[in-house]
Amino acid sequence: GQQVMQIPQYQHVQEGEDFTTYCNSSTTLSNIQWYKQRPGGHPVFLIQLVKSGEVKKQKRLTFQFGEAKKNSSLHITATQTTDVGTYFCAGPGAGSYQLTFGKGTKLSVIP
Amino acid sequence: DAGVTQSPTHLIKTRGQQVTLRCSPKSGHDTVSWYQQALGQGPQFIFQYYEEEERQRGNFPDRFSGHQFPNYSSELNVNALLLGDSALYLCASSPGQILAKNIQYFGAGTRLSVL
Repeated sequence: GQQVMQIPQYQHVQEGEDFTTYCNSSTTLSNIQWYKQRPGGHPVFLIQLVKSGEVKKQKRLTFQFGEAKKNSSLHITATQTTDVGTYFCAGPGAGSYQLTFGKGTKLSVIP
Repeated sequence: DAGVTQSPTHLIKTRGQQVTLRCSPKSGHDTVSWYQQALGQGPQFIFQYYEEEERQRGNFPDRFSGHQFPNYSSELNVNALLLGDSALYLCASSPGQILAKNIQYFGAGTRLSVL
């Protein structure tokens, strides 16, 4: 079945440093979604990318969707303590309503 | 505008028992999906309900079953509980008619502990 892999599993950064997490799917995706889960919380939708090569920005967050629509990345510029949490990517298989989530990247920010 | 609500928030059961979890979707959403999230893992898709039918199912045994009511709310039932069923159970709703709009709005979850 479809697999979604994320690296790294953990990332510790000093406040103000940049952070990047990478997501790779075993199959081509119709779209990719990113979610953030704060400690003790539930996943919250951040963004959806649909087009090959698409780049979207939300303030300090930059999301990219690969040309082959099998990989994606999330880059945070100048991290803040409010960025702490686990970032998940998720994608549906072709013609599928099932979203497959990666295991996530847990971000810790040291003040 | 109420978001996705789940009940109960916490539940403790023993092996072999049965459990029912409940979910009310976000206003305007007609599709409900259930996920299991083990500690340190991403959410795993259990199944999705649309128009009171199970539209898609993930790789979970038949012990996991569900229901959707005419008001779009949903229940997840788990029979013959195992220790490995201990997890956070998340309900998510979406305006699910369009495949490309399958964005998940999650509830706060039910933390199930099986002893």
